[in-house]
Amino acid sequence: DAEITQSPRHKITETGRQVTLACHQTWNHNNMFWYRQDLGHGLRLIHYSYGVHDTNKGEVSDGYSVSRSNTEDLPLTLESAASSQTSVYFCASSGRVGGGADTQYFGPGTRLTVL
Amino acid sequence: AQSVTQLGSHVSVSEGALVLLRCNYSSSVPPYLFWYVQYPNQGLQLLLKYTSAATLVKGINGFEAEFKKSETSFHLTKPSAHMSDAAEYFCAVSDRGNEKLTFGTGTRLTIIP
Repeated sequence: DAEITQSPRHKITETGRQVTLACHQTWNHNNMFWYRQDLGHGLRLIHYSYGVHDTNKGEVSDGYSVSRSNTEDLPLTLESAASSQTSVYFCASSGRVGGGADTQYFGPGTRLTVL
Repeated sequence: AQSVTQLGSHVSVSEGALVLLRCNYSSSVPPYLFWYVQYPNQGLQLLLKYTSAATLVKGINGFEAEFKKSETSFHLTKPSAHMSDAAEYFCAVSDRGNEKLTFGTGTRLTIIP
């Protein structure tokens, strides 16, 4: 069965370190998204991609970067981790470009703690 | 910019009672609307979505939602709550023409035995 996976599931790091969170989907979806979930804020969009070599900034992109070298993967990098980036991170994918009605499928999340 | 407002960050209902979770949207044109559910320590999964076909949308697990343009609302209901419905529920909106979702802040549903 097709799926979307994230690794690691839990990560503790120190302020200033670079951290990369992995997202891998086997749906063969064009669109991939990264969100962060914080109490009182719901999910907020960090970055998204509509295809290979395409990346776009979302609502809360400062301090984060992504690159899309193939269809299956969209890693999220925190260049210099800050305590404000302690959060739960979700990756999602959807299949259609344009239209806006497609379902997004979510990974299980990565809980990141920055000390 | 589009937005959704979920009234009530916590809702408690008795087992067997009606579930009503409220969502209002702000958009200049009729958007696409979604309800997602998140069980503890899991990702989100789609309950149902409105894409401008029928205004009453039926989803999984007995949930349904009605799109009301005059009230800019998309409230989620279930006639009879079950213990397994305890979860966090998110309303979301997308523009016609792009795939980005804007989420509400979520409503945590507790079922009282």
